[in-house]
Amino acid sequence: GESVGLHLPTLSVQEGDNSIINCAYSNSASDYFIWYKQESGKGPQFIIDIRSNMDKRQGQRVTVLLNKTVKHLSLQIAATQPGDSAVYFCAENIPGNTPLVFGKGTRLSVIA
Amino acid sequence: KAGVTQTPRYLIKTRGQQVTLSCSPISGHRSVSWYQQTPGQGLQFLFEYFSETQRNKGNFPGRFSGRQFSNSRSEMNVSTLELGDSALYLCASSLEAGGQGELFFGEGSRLTVL
Repeated sequence: GESVGLHLPTLSVQEGDNSIINCAYSNSASDYFIWYKQESGKGPQFIIDIRSNMDKRQGQRVTVLLNKTVKHLSLQIAATQPGDSAVYFCAENIPGNTPLVFGKGTRLSVIA
Repeated sequence: KAGVTQTPRYLIKTRGQQVTLSCSPISGHRSVSWYQQTPGQGLQFLFEYFSETQRNKGNFPGRFSGRQFSNSRSEMNVSTLELGDSALYLCASSLEAGGQGELFFGEGSRLTVL
């Protein structure tokens, strides 16, 4: 079964607000995490990644936080825009030549 | 730099038929992974190829198979199609194998089995 899960399957936010998408992972040995965004009719697109030796990484309007103590990953989107509406997946890599394991996804809907 | 290209984008088959899907990775990428995406199960790993060798295989029946060519292009085949095989099949390429590098996904091939 999957070792990556998400707390919320759907999330609705007002345009301009900040969004937080959460992800719980079960394998404490996972050393690499990625957030992907998938828009309707398209393949997943890389947003941001983080390695286990970090607890925070920032990109353009996005921040990923990693809490290894509780095995929790979050994606924060600042000033959410309509174009951010999509399904967001977290993925983890377990060392040992294993493929990325994806969570089931959270749908983000931005209300204009 | 061209992205990952998958063909065909859409196809309809009937139960019992077989299907072959094609994936051209980003130039220079030697790792190609295949995922099945359905609404209920999310992204399920099928297999990964690196330098023409299958490195990992997911928990799918033997009806699902794949291969990689010397130019890194990959194909996957599903034989004796079942209704439950209807899904979006995604191909992803990366420089490194085994989940340590960023995966670049194609747009997918949407298979409908009637």
